[in-house]
Amino acid sequence: DIQLTQSPSFLSASVGDRVTITCRASQGISNYLAWYQQKPGNAPKLLVYTASTLQSGVPSRFSGSGSGTEFTLTISSLQPEDFATYYCQQIHSYPLTFGGGTKVEIK
Amino acid sequence: EVQLVESGGGLVQPGGSLRLSCAASGFTFSDHYIDWARQAPGKGLEWVGRIRNKANSYTTEYAASVKGRFTISRDDSKNSLYMQMSSLKTEDTAVYYCARSYASGSYDAFDIWGQGTMVTVSS
Repeated sequence: DIQLTQSPSFLSASVGDRVTITCRASQGISNYLAWYQQKPGNAPKLLVYTASTLQSGVPSRFSGSGSGTEFTLTISSLQPEDFATYYCQQIHSYPLTFGGGTKVEIK
Repeated sequence: EVQLVESGGGLVQPGGSLRLSCAASGFTFSDHYIDWARQAPGKGLEWVGRIRNKANSYTTEYAASVKGRFTISRDDSKNSLYMQMSSLKTEDTAVYYCARSYASGSYDAFDIWGQGTMVTVSS
């Protein structure tokens, strides 16, 4: 199974900060990676697919990059509505797997 | 509006069975693969399984933790997805989500999620 390791698992940041979350895969997955945002009590929301393609309607302050085993999700200027938990997911091979999550909280 | 709505969750005893449903609307359900994912209380997301579309013979994939106990099926005429869960364990306690995924000519990611249905396995 492909393991996804997200770091950090928790981060405290202020509105306006640039935030970067890393997702490392235990083996190469090309660009078969997606990022999701989840707020408490809600279903996850797709932000980025194929590692770097922004889902329609997602603000341009979000961006994804990477290929192979190392990927990043960047929020260029953190907004109040961005405080949430973020998950990466590999869709390269079965079983599909998610990273452990990164909780972004207000500093 | 494009949406998925799960139902069928509830309290069940260990060893029991439960059938979850997922009703789709606002898109061509039959074109898409559909997945189930779950989230135990206070924990992260876990993929449960997938059913492909008719063009791919409705084949299925499962996580090892549920293989042999859970069965995913679909009825394209009713725009509905099902998951029969049997031999339930306390560790199956979670919110269960259905999610729309791959369609031919598209990308593979979970772009539409239902609101989730809670399954509690407890005596």
